[in-house]
Amino acid sequence: GNSVTQMEGPVTLSEEAFLTINCTYTATGYPSLFWYVQYPGEGLQLLLKATKADDKGSNKGFEATYRKETTSFHLEKGSVQVSDSAVYFCALSDPGNTPLVFGKGTRLSVIA
Amino acid sequence: DAGVIQSPRHEVTEMGQEVTLRCKPISGHDYLFWYRQTMMRGLELLIYFNNNVPIDDSGMPEDRFSAKMPNASFSTLKIQPSEPRDSAVYFCASSRDRDTGELFFGEGSRLTVL
Repeated sequence: GNSVTQMEGPVTLSEEAFLTINCTYTATGYPSLFWYVQYPGEGLQLLLKATKADDKGSNKGFEATYRKETTSFHLEKGSVQVSDSAVYFCALSDPGNTPLVFGKGTRLSVIA
Repeated sequence: DAGVIQSPRHEVTEMGQEVTLRCKPISGHDYLFWYRQTMMRGLELLIYFNNNVPIDDSGMPEDRFSAKMPNASFSTLKIQPSEPRDSAVYFCASSRDRDTGELFFGEGSRLTVL
């Protein structure tokens, strides 16, 4: 079946550090891949997405590239801010099959 | 445009009591999803609806859980009787299309069962 595995947190970084959160997936078809972010006390919101291999999704300085050969969709940001502190979820959608499947989430804390 | 609206935001109840969580999806969205979030299990899909019809309820943990969507603008998730292990944050989300992956989440209902 479809599944998403992302690195366990928590991740603690200093402001302006480089961020990578790893995500790998297993899918039976040709999935679309997503990163969602959950700020404290809020629901999840879509951060970025990629719908086919080699696509790069980007938003708010974050980016992730859909790598079919390594079944990965790692999230990166060159310089994190305190306001980026949140829980990040990798997810996949396999059209025609089950709806959105989420990873367990990675908590990021950025300290000034 | 208003987002997904959930109520209550917080609920504290005693074991054995009935709990009803409510959700108003975004107007025009044909899909509605109920998720449960816990530290141990992460985000779990409980059930989802398309045009008010339940499509997949395989994630509902047991018969104590039930969900309804009487019309396009309202859904409920009911737990009867509640147990301490039901303590979690319950999210409702809606979308125009199941397969685009673009879900819009409410702020969640934090349930504590004592």
